[in-house]
Amino acid sequence: AQTVTQSQPEMSVQEAETVTLSCTYDTSENNYYLFWYKQPPSRQMILVIRQEAYKQQNATENRFSVNFQKAAKSFSLKISDSQLGDTAMYFCAFIGAGSYQLTFGKGTKLSVIP
Amino acid sequence: GAGVSQSPSNKVTEKGKDVELKCDPISGHTALYWYRQSLGQGLEFLIYFQGNSAPDKSGLPSDRFSAERTGGSVSTLTIQRTQQEDSAVYLCASSSGGNEKLFFGSGTQLSVL
Repeated sequence: AQTVTQSQPEMSVQEAETVTLSCTYDTSENNYYLFWYKQPPSRQMILVIRQEAYKQQNATENRFSVNFQKAAKSFSLKISDSQLGDTAMYFCAFIGAGSYQLTFGKGTKLSVIP
Repeated sequence: GAGVSQSPSNKVTEKGKDVELKCDPISGHTALYWYRQSLGQGLEFLIYFQGNSAPDKSGLPSDRFSAERTGGSVSTLTIQRTQQEDSAVYLCASSSGGNEKLFFGSGTQLSVL
């Protein structure tokens, strides 16, 4: 069974600064996908970024980028130029290539301070 | 519809009552998921529907929980004889299939008094 661990229950960052959220996972599979989802107070989970395990290049979406270390089974999210609208819960998630079931971490509550 | 729609947004019920939570997925999406999010926890998989295939019910926590998906579209999650530990946010998601991007609804906050 896969597990996803987010070791930081809460974090804060000053507006315009950079913050990194940590995520580690455990799997015996070689092909899989990793995700970061954002959940604002509206409760709707929004996909922030997606990484395919077979790609060595780290995914980037505007101010969001990941540091994917496959051997270490680490998948951290870096948010640059933090904005007030980035305040939310952030969830790391894993899915095997042949699966349909996402496994989520317990989340990190990020607060952006003006 | 434009997105995944869930109703009601909030539901308060008394212990022992039955509740029905509804999910209307994105038009054309064949896959539909229900997840439960308890306070301070991640998302717990409940059930998965894919097209006309038999659903994967392996995540349902007890036989008080059931779900159906009519006509391959709208899904209803039913909780019978609710208990206080059922209090949580119930999230629905849909996708075009497989492990493609999931689109989530805004969830139903269920409170069992």
